[in-house]
Amino acid sequence: KQEVTQIPAALSVPEGENLVLNCSFTDSAIYNLQWFRQDPGKGLTSLLLIQSSQREQTSGRLNASLDKSSGRSTLYIAASQPGDSATYLCAVRPGSGTASKLTFGTGTRLQVTL
Amino acid sequence: ETGVTQTPRHLVMGMTNKKSLKCEQHLGHNAMYWYKQSAKKPLELMFVYNFKEQTENNSVPSRFSPECPNSSHLFLHLHTLQPEDSALYLCASSQRPTNTEAFFGQGTRLTVV
Repeated sequence: KQEVTQIPAALSVPEGENLVLNCSFTDSAIYNLQWFRQDPGKGLTSLLLIQSSQREQTSGRLNASLDKSSGRSTLYIAASQPGDSATYLCAVRPGSGTASKLTFGTGTRLQVTL
Repeated sequence: ETGVTQTPRHLVMGMTNKKSLKCEQHLGHNAMYWYKQSAKKPLELMFVYNFKEQTENNSVPSRFSPECPNSSHLFLHLHTLQPEDSALYLCASSQRPTNTEAFFGQGTRLTVV
């Protein structure tokens, strides 16, 4: 059974810092990995999707990497801003079987302070 | 706006009530999903629909009954719920159920009293 772990569970950084969020998964046979952002009480906003054959994806100040063999992904946020404060979730899609089933981590709650 | 709209945003219902959650996507996607998000737990997939056909039921109790009349609309009918069913219910869609990006709605915050 796939398990997804995100460390740390919570993080507080001053504005302007670069930071890294970690995601690990137990079964490396994944189809892809997706990072999401969730604001309190709201839905999920897709940030980046990395296919299993890719090593990284970039969007603006965000860079996500994937090391499938070691079961790890990182989300790098450059020059953090207060508007980046949210919970960040990673989710993996299996490479076989029920390929529609995204398995989520419990998230990292990020607070960027002034 | 993600292109996936859920109504209502908030719902309070008694254990004997019957209510429905609605989801509509304007993205031309073929797959739609219901997820449940409880406090301090990862999102749990409930149902998957592909081209209006249910392709996955993740052992969801029968008091939750999904309906997908077309590829753009998805409902979740609720009856005789329990207080532990209180959660954020999220709808999502994707072009296909497999290797494509999933887009989520804003969710319905359900409280069962």
